[in-house]
Amino acid sequence: DQQVKQNSPSLSVQEGRISILNCDYTNSMFDYFLWYKKYPAEGPTFLISISSIKDKNEDGRFTVFLNKSAKHLSLHIVPSQPGDSAVYFCAASGSGTASKLTFGTGTRLQVTL
Amino acid sequence: KAGVTQTPRYLIKTRGQQVTLSCSPISGHRSVSWYQQTPGQGLQFLFEYFSETQRNKGNFPGRFSGRQFSNSRSEMNVSTLELGDSALYLCASSRDAPRAYEQFFGPGTRLTVL
Repeated sequence: DQQVKQNSPSLSVQEGRISILNCDYTNSMFDYFLWYKKYPAEGPTFLISISSIKDKNEDGRFTVFLNKSAKHLSLHIVPSQPGDSAVYFCAASGSGTASKLTFGTGTRLQVTL
Repeated sequence: KAGVTQTPRYLIKTRGQQVTLSCSPISGHRSVSWYQQTPGQGLQFLFEYFSETQRNKGNFPGRFSGRQFSNSRSEMNVSTLELGDSALYLCASSRDAPRAYEQFFGPGTRLTVL
């Protein structure tokens, strides 16, 4: 039972344009949502998070949007840079088990010149 | 501030052996969680330790165990290794509530079981 889904395995975006990565979840008990960036054979790097009481959180080039009614979140990267090329994972956790993250399957982002 | 460190980075074992992996969290972080990443199952939560006690547990067999020491360092042990245990094992640490959900990962230990 995949509680966190990233339906797009890959995404290609031109440098300077906006990258939009999407994530859907099924568990209504999730209260916290995070995005991580990962290179092969390395640990995930934390990018940005949002709690369920908000619908938007911004940090530099990264913005996360949360639509609780649709159980959907997205990560916007503006402008996209070649160094952003990596696999992006969304993750979620509940308030009672905040440290137990459930991860999506990842989306490979390639930013082309 | 130093990040999460994991040792060793690479391990090769044979079926039936056991293995111990080590993790040192970010200074001041008392929660340490372990995850397994495989191509087939993705990133899966193993367990979390806080103040030397297991606080959360994932759906893994009892061959997977862990512990945490008073300095918050943690070890994970896998006994009677199986081929399917080959994976990248990741350790993550986090602050106390209310930001306990923001986990910071180490580089991982790549375990290969032959």
